[in-house]
Amino acid sequence: DAEITQSPRHKITETGRQVTLACHQTWNHNNMFWYRQDLGHGLRLIHYSYGVQDTNKGEVSDGYSVSRSNTEDLPLTLESAASSQTSVYFCASSDLDQETQYFGPGTRLLVL
Amino acid sequence: TQLLEQSPQFLSIQEGENLTVYCNSSSVFSSLQWYRQEPGEGPVLLVTVVTGGEVKKLKRLTFQFGDARKDSSLHITAAQTGDTGLYLCADVKTGANSKLTFGKGITLSVRP
Repeated sequence: DAEITQSPRHKITETGRQVTLACHQTWNHNNMFWYRQDLGHGLRLIHYSYGVQDTNKGEVSDGYSVSRSNTEDLPLTLESAASSQTSVYFCASSDLDQETQYFGPGTRLLVL
Repeated sequence: TQLLEQSPQFLSIQEGENLTVYCNSSSVFSSLQWYRQEPGEGPVLLVTVVTGGEVKKLKRLTFQFGDARKDSSLHITAAQTGDTGLYLCADVKTGANSKLTFGKGITLSVRP
């Protein structure tokens, strides 16, 4: 069955380190998204991509970057992790012209 | 910038009770989606509403879209413990480059 996976599921890192969270989908969807979820803020969009080599900034993109070298993967990189980036991160994908987004199981990140 | 407000933020009820929760926007929705998120998992789409006044039913869940397309309600009849979770509404930017803007969510706890 097609699916969307995230790894790792849990990560502890230190302030200042570079961290990369992986997202892989097997639906062959064009669109992929990264969100963070925090108490009191709901889901906020970090970065998104509408196809290979396309990336766009969301509402909370500072300190994060993404690259889209193939259809299946959209890794999220924290250039220099900060305690404010402690959160649960969700990846999602959707097909062209389709409004339904399919979410991964999330990555819980703790920055000490 | 569109603001989505969901109410109430938290709701704890007994199994078998009915409940209604709300999603309101500062501007007209393009279309609106409701998602449910269970603990430790990503959100899952419940329904999409597009037309003002539209009513959709999903078993014991009834979704209504306001006539002016600025508000929506979710009514659950005879709540069950399996209904426990976070309910999120999202404004959908439609088209090839679809994107979602989420409200902060409603945490529902159904006690046995």
